[in-house]
Amino acid sequence: EAGVAQSPRYKIIEKRQSVAFWCNPISGHATLYWYQQILGQGPKLLIQFQNNGVVDDSQLPKDRFSAERLKGVDSTLKIQPAKLEDSAVYLCASSPRTGTSDTQYFGPGTRLTVL
Amino acid sequence: GENVEQHPSTLSVQEGDSAVIKCTYSDSASNYFPWYKQELGKGPQLIIDIRSNVGEKKDQRIAVTLNKTAKHFSLHITETQPEDSAVYFCAAVASGGGADGLTFGKGTHLIIQP
Repeated sequence: EAGVAQSPRYKIIEKRQSVAFWCNPISGHATLYWYQQILGQGPKLLIQFQNNGVVDDSQLPKDRFSAERLKGVDSTLKIQPAKLEDSAVYLCASSPRTGTSDTQYFGPGTRLTVL
Repeated sequence: GENVEQHPSTLSVQEGDSAVIKCTYSDSASNYFPWYKQELGKGPQLIIDIRSNVGEKKDQRIAVTLNKTAKHFSLHITETQPEDSAVYFCAAVASGGGADGLTFGKGTHLIIQP
């Protein structure tokens, strides 16, 4: 079974530029998460989707971050404009269902460096 | 919201010895506690988890214990091997209501000395 796919793996941008990350979850997984992992810390949830609907975006900085999952499969996370403090690894995870605590499977992440 | 504290931040043990990592959580509604292993340049990988209706769970050299009264849970690795070297994260979540994003601890860098 293929795992969670993410691209690109690395991205370097200047501050105030925009950037987008892509995630393809494990086939059949209805729930998709985006986490931000700053160096030396644990992942922090940004947003959770159930199919193409948002379940939780309470920790998403909505003035600069946006995410969508239009067809209930792939998802994109965008930052516009980027700040220095956005430098982090952005992890995508998927789970078979929500409503009960089920295993979350993580992708390899996208490492973002903002200069 | 939930807050998870993890200790120690770094743990160095001799190969073959045991390692113990401890976590505490704040939300009494939390009922699912996974442990993830993260190697350099990779995403976190689940190694074991425990639910609130169970006090202990074991899988070969890895075990997890949960004390709901004290709100703490621990990871135990026995007979450590070089490939156990990695960063380990504990997490907690309260299920129900649909939102089940994990709250993670800050991680423990486990170093296995040959």
